[in-house]
Amino acid sequence: KNEVEQSPQNLTAQEGEFITINCSYSVGISALHWLQQHPGGGIVSLFMLSSGKKKHGRLIATINIQEKHSSLHITASHPRDSAVYICASGGGADGLTFGKGTHLIIQP
Amino acid sequence: ETGVTQTPRHLVMGMTNKKSLKCEQHLGHNAMYWYKQSAKKPLELMFVYNFKEQTENNSVPSRFSPECPNSSHLFLHLHTLQPEDSALYLCASSQESTLGAGEMGYIQYFGAGTRLSVL
Repeated sequence: KNEVEQSPQNLTAQEGEFITINCSYSVGISALHWLQQHPGGGIVSLFMLSSGKKKHGRLIATINIQEKHSSLHITASHPRDSAVYICASGGGADGLTFGKGTHLIIQP
Repeated sequence: ETGVTQTPRHLVMGMTNKKSLKCEQHLGHNAMYWYKQSAKKPLELMFVYNFKEQTENNSVPSRFSPECPNSSHLFLHLHTLQPEDSALYLCASSQESTLGAGEMGYIQYFGAGTRLSVL
């Protein structure tokens, strides 16, 4: 059974700081997803990656398949980035296996 | 707006009631999912429908009954629920490969969820 572990569970930072959220998984996977969940529950898919690095605006996601590890970085963080960030592995017919999420608060 | 619509957004029901959650996707996807998010627990997969056929039932109690009449609609029928079933229920859809398992997963688009309270 694949297990997905995220760290930290909670993170509070000041506006402008560089943010890193880490994700480790226990078995080989075909894809790793980063999701963002805002208060109220809505979930948005940020990245899906199977190798290397992806960038979208101030967000960067990396994955190391050999080490079974992925990171999500936020540059020049802003209070609107405050949300729960969730790492998930798998997909397709097996659905996704989720981490517990990282609660991020960016203070002005 | 993700293209996946869930109704109702909030639902309060007694343990003897029967209700249904509805999910509709306007993205032309061929796979749909039900997930459950309980307080302080990770999201959990409940059901997967791929090309309208159920391909995954993640040990979900029979008081939850899914229905997928076509590739755009997904229902979750609820009956005789327990208070511990109170949670956020999320629907998602994706466009899956016809090449079968083992291919790279595809981005899933989520609905806003139905927040269910069982009294």
